[in-house]
Amino acid sequence: AQKVTQAQTEISVVEKEDVTLDCVYETRDTTYYLFWYKQPPSGELVFLIRRNSFDEQNEISGRYSWNFQKSTSSFNFTITASQVVDSAVYFCALSEVYNAGNMLTFGGGTRLMVKP
Amino acid sequence: DADVTQTPRNRITKTGKRIMLECSQTKGHDRMYWYRQDPGLGLRLIYYSFDVKDINKGEISDGYSVSRQAQAKFSLSLESAIPNQTALYFCATSTRDSNQPQHFGDGTRLSIL
Repeated sequence: AQKVTQAQTEISVVEKEDVTLDCVYETRDTTYYLFWYKQPPSGELVFLIRRNSFDEQNEISGRYSWNFQKSTSSFNFTITASQVVDSAVYFCALSEVYNAGNMLTFGGGTRLMVKP
Repeated sequence: DADVTQTPRNRITKTGKRIMLECSQTKGHDRMYWYRQDPGLGLRLIYYSFDVKDINKGEISDGYSVSRQAQAKFSLSLESAIPNQTALYFCATSTRDSNQPQHFGDGTRLSIL
């Protein structure tokens, strides 16, 4: 069965610090997709990134970067020079290609608090 | 206008009441999902639907039912609400491609007293 673990339940940093959110997953499939979503205090879920299991290239988007390492089943998310607006709950999620229904399995989330 | 709309956004009700949460989408997606979010547990899947009249149980379907009468609408019902169903509920939609992200509504905050 698939499983996603976000061991850090809460992280607190001061603005401009770099912060890494960890995500470890378990799956029996060789083909799968990983996602990160952001949930700001207003409550909605915002899609950030998708990565497929065949693409281990790291990705950078502005202050955000993602490190996918298949060997350790991890898909970590780094925010560089954090800002107060980055304060949110971040979810990592996994979708196995051959599962029924394109279902997402979510981690428990990491609450990031960025203090001014 | 939002692509995935949930109504109501907030609801407070009493134990034993029947409640219906509505979800409608303008994205034209085939697949729709209902999740609940509890602190520390992330989102857990309640039910999902591939198409009109297609209904599938998710991880935590007990105590819930759903209806998909039209492609754009997917409703979630609590036949007899209980306090441990207090949670934040999300509807989501997706295409048939598993590599595409699911798109979420803004959530319904439900409190059962």
